[in-house]
Amino acid sequence: NAGVTQTPKFRILKIGQSMTLQCTQDMNHNYMYWYRQDPGMGLKLIYYSVGAGITDKGEVPNGYNVSRSTTEDFPLRLELAAPSQTSVYFCASSYGGQGWNEQFFGPGTRLTVL
Amino acid sequence: GDSVTQMEGPVTLSEEAFLTINCTYTATGYPSLFWYVQYPGEGLQLLLKATKADDKGSNKGFEATYRKETTSFHLEKGSVQVSDSAVYFCALSDPNAGKSTFGDGTTLTVKP
Repeated sequence: NAGVTQTPKFRILKIGQSMTLQCTQDMNHNYMYWYRQDPGMGLKLIYYSVGAGITDKGEVPNGYNVSRSTTEDFPLRLELAAPSQTSVYFCASSYGGQGWNEQFFGPGTRLTVL
Repeated sequence: GDSVTQMEGPVTLSEEAFLTINCTYTATGYPSLFWYVQYPGEGLQLLLKATKADDKGSNKGFEATYRKETTSFHLEKGSVQVSDSAVYFCALSDPNAGKSTFGDGTTLTVKP
């Protein structure tokens, strides 16, 4: 199993550009998450999904959009990129919503907006 | 809402020293508690977990005990190695929801 894969690994955007961060998991997990990690800080939840066709906002959803058309894929869309969106983005998945389920993380996408 | 507070870093230790990283939490229900580790350039991975009060999670020589009375989940290791150098995150998960709350992370550097 590849686990959780993310593409691209690195990206530089200009202010106002758009892009999609890709996330795929092959563990048949129902729950998927997008986090951002700013330097020296913890993880902030952007969006999450409890299954195909169902998504919900996390702590910091502004400036982002998501969709979940399949169990495997959970892309994150940035519209009109801003310098404040410079961060490392992690996708994660878990089997279910029960509190004891651990989350499995991808390797991250490092995004710089100039 | 739920919150997790971790001991501020960075923490620098010599090899074979004893490690403690403090973690306290605030939660409305009875959460599960986790420690995740992040090695340079990688995503987070689960180190250990505890799902109810007085449970002890352990893995790779690390231990943490779920203390409901003090709302704490401190991470300990008796003898650290250079390879333990990483960022450690304490987290809690609401038992009735699919979301987790993470602390800000503590950077550990172990010197030979």
